[in-house]
Amino acid sequence: AQRVTQPEKLLSVFKGAPVELKCNYSYSGSPELFWYVQYSRQRLQLLLRHISRESIKGFTADLNKGETSFHLKKPFAQEEDSAMYYCALDSSYKLIFGSGTRLLVRP
Amino acid sequence: DAGVTQSPTHLIKTRGQQVTLRCSPKSGHDTVSWYQQALGQGPQFIFQYYEEEERQRGNFPDRFSGHQFPNYSSELNVNALLLGDSALYLCASSYRGKETQYFGPGTRLLVL
Repeated sequence: AQRVTQPEKLLSVFKGAPVELKCNYSYSGSPELFWYVQYSRQRLQLLLRHISRESIKGFTADLNKGETSFHLKKPFAQEEDSAMYYCALDSSYKLIFGSGTRLLVRP
Repeated sequence: DAGVTQSPTHLIKTRGQQVTLRCSPKSGHDTVSWYQQALGQGPQFIFQYYEEEERQRGNFPDRFSGHQFPNYSSELNVNALLLGDSALYLCASSYRGKETQYFGPGTRLLVL
């Protein structure tokens, strides 16, 4: 079955600390993976997609097919990074989302 | 470009009633997908409309139906509402369903 798992509901770090938001997936074939972010009172928006290999707002994510993971990383967290983060898998036009991880960056 | 717009923003209904939610896609987009997001969960795919037809459907009962108009806007209809239908309903648009999906602000439905 196609599935996306985000094991942490909440991740709390101090400003300037490294951040890693975990995402594991289950998919037969070549996956296309995304990270979406939702800031307070804003709509869900794309943060990055693995095929573009871009770094957005200092975040990066590497697809590890052996471990079926697509963890989101940032070396130095900022307070404005506090938000809800969702990992998503593209499966024939539909997105399959994980349950999300709330990142809280403390001053 | 206002991006994806949805109406209404909030809605309260009672069990057994019917509801219609509306979505206008981002300019240049021709595909609309609908998602249901229950409290504390990630969005769940309901269905996608392309060229005025339902192209793909998620694991939702027939009480959930939709429509796409020639201007690419879309409606989501839910009949015989249940308490469990209370959720945030998100609309996302894309080009041909193959590019990045852009989300609207959602419609929050409360069923009493």
